[in-house]
Amino acid sequence: SQTIHQWPATLVQPVGSPLSLECTVEGTSNPNLYWYRQAAGRGLQLLFYSVGIGQISSEVPQNLSASRPQDRQFILSSKKLLLSDSGFYLCAVQGLRSAGELFFGEGSRLTVL
Amino acid sequence: AQSVTQLGSHVSVSEGALVLLRCNYSSSVPPYLFWYVQYPNQGLQLLLKYTSAATLVKGINGFEAEFKKSETSFHLTKPSAHMSDAAEYFCAAPDNYGQNFVFGPGTRLSVLP
Repeated sequence: SQTIHQWPATLVQPVGSPLSLECTVEGTSNPNLYWYRQAAGRGLQLLFYSVGIGQISSEVPQNLSASRPQDRQFILSSKKLLLSDSGFYLCAVQGLRSAGELFFGEGSRLTVL
Repeated sequence: AQSVTQLGSHVSVSEGALVLLRCNYSSSVPPYLFWYVQYPNQGLQLLLKYTSAATLVKGINGFEAEFKKSETSFHLTKPSAHMSDAAEYFCAAPDNYGQNFVFGPGTRLSVLP
């Protein structure tokens, strides 16, 4: 079965500082990977998804970027954080079964001050 | 484009009472539908999924959902609420291309003693 690791679990960063959130997946190969964000009081917002190494699709224009340097590694970055970047960031992997449901990591909570 | 709506951002029930969380999809019939549960500060966990094999789907923790094409609905139910059911619940469907997912805005379930 697939296992998703996200770190750090919690992060407090000042405005203008850089960001790096990492997601790694075990138990599968060549997975579709996703980054979602939950802002306070809001639902799930798809930020990026990737169907392979170096292949990133951006769903929402913002000051965030994503990279996939290895098959099972997905990184969310920012050069300069904004207050509005605060939220709960979730990495997800698409399952291999027919329905292709998503499996989520435990999330990374980012607070920008 | 596929869309998913959830009526009621917050639902409160008494312990032991019936739980009913509503989900409606847009006009195009999705091949799959999902319900996820999210406990505070955790990732989303798959509760159940509809895959066209049966209209009544049973999931974990005593939850079930019924797909009704005529009503474009996939409501989630549980006969008797438990305190541990207090969480946020999301309904989701694949988008029209099958690579991404459309999530409803979520319903927060509170269970009163």
